[in-house]
Amino acid sequence: DGGITQSPKYLFRKEGQNVTLSCEQNLNHDAMYWYRQDPGQGLRLIYYSQIVNDFQKGDIAEGYSVSREKKESFPLTVTSAQKNPTAFYLCASSTPGQGALNEKLFFGSGTQLSVL
Amino acid sequence: QKEVEQDPGPLSVPEGAIVSLNCTYSNSAFQYFMWYRQYSRKGPELLMYTYSSGNKEDGRFTAQVDKSSKYISLFIRDSQPSDSATYLCAMTLSNFGNEKLTFGTGTRLTIIP
Repeated sequence: DGGITQSPKYLFRKEGQNVTLSCEQNLNHDAMYWYRQDPGQGLRLIYYSQIVNDFQKGDIAEGYSVSREKKESFPLTVTSAQKNPTAFYLCASSTPGQGALNEKLFFGSGTQLSVL
Repeated sequence: QKEVEQDPGPLSVPEGAIVSLNCTYSNSAFQYFMWYRQYSRKGPELLMYTYSSGNKEDGRFTAQVDKSSKYISLFIRDSQPSDSATYLCAMTLSNFGNEKLTFGTGTRLTIIP
């Protein structure tokens, strides 16, 4: 089955610790995205990558880092600089095209990150 | 003021009722409008999208855009318990990519059997 796999489903972070969230897709999509979802707020874009070895900051990139060494993988690291990391993190990928209507977003099932 | 406003609910309706979900927005340049459905602890999935004003129907779902009022709606007819989910609206400017999508906060809907 084609899709996006996020792991782990639940993750706990200690004070001062960096943690990495995994996102793998087998849809052969060029573009991948990381969003953060908090209660009472819409999805907010952290980072996105439109091609291997290239990525761009989204609206709330501070305290996060990413890499895109392979087309199918886009891991997100939540660093100790992110002071409020508790949230539901969603990874997505999109079909190639021009414009959001032609680039349908497919989401993974998310990772819930909590602070110990 | 947020660019996109959406009543968070929760909204509970009996099975078979017509459901109306709404978003208002402030940026008159938004042209593409989408509705996503998100089941609990899952990722959103695209339900419907519309361009500019007008209606679009897909089975039991109808998406409506009123650009003069900066108001979009999603109607669900003959609602089913399986429709219980959070519904997110999203919108963007003309021909911009997904990185420019602005999402609403989501409305949590429960259909009571």
